[in-house]
Amino acid sequence: QKEVEQNSGPLSVPEGAIASLNCTYSDRGSQSFFWYRQYSGKSPELIMSIYSNGDKEDGRFTAQLNKASQYVSLLIRDSQPSDSATYLCAVNIFGNEKLTFGTGTRLTIIP
Amino acid sequence: ETGVTQSPTHLIKTRGQQVTLRCSSQSGHNTVSWYQQALGQGPQFIFQYYREEENGRGNFPPRFSGLQFPNYSSELNVNALELDDSALYLCASSLELAGDPNEQFFGPGTRLTVL
Repeated sequence: QKEVEQNSGPLSVPEGAIASLNCTYSDRGSQSFFWYRQYSGKSPELIMSIYSNGDKEDGRFTAQLNKASQYVSLLIRDSQPSDSATYLCAVNIFGNEKLTFGTGTRLTIIP
Repeated sequence: ETGVTQSPTHLIKTRGQQVTLRCSSQSGHNTVSWYQQALGQGPQFIFQYYREEENGRGNFPPRFSGLQFPNYSSELNVNALELDDSALYLCASSLELAGDPNEQFFGPGTRLTVL
């Protein structure tokens, strides 16, 4: 079982709709969770971090964390073509220095 | 606020050679982490430097080594390059505070090609 799993996609969503990206993790000691956006040929850009169960909203983005079920998700409302990218889920275990990444989900917003 | 910078942007080497990649951390950050990202994969943790000491290492052989300088900038050195070392090398900086989960911010990366 991979430490962090994501559906590789591609996920296609019409412009203006809600894009839903999911991530599961295996280590129950995981404490910090991050979503990065990576455009083709570029480096990852941090868009959301979440540490507690529940929802965290930032503009059009909402991160959801459920530690009991060991999943974290990212919702993008009013999807725009500029949201087309690969979204990486990353997990950090408390006291551990590294981020463990999933392989990413490729999202395409269709105009 | 100055972001994370890396040099060079691109590099082409041949098998067996050595390479040094450089990273300047974001202003106010004291920790640098290095990651390797192969095509179609998520970044893989190589190691982290905090207060000029290695603060954790991933599953990479000893020919991957690093340094951190007093100004928190860092170098990644790779000896005896292999074809599989071809990848995007990412540096991420963060502010290490005891007990705090830290957000890591990536530089633009160095694309290494080994022929």
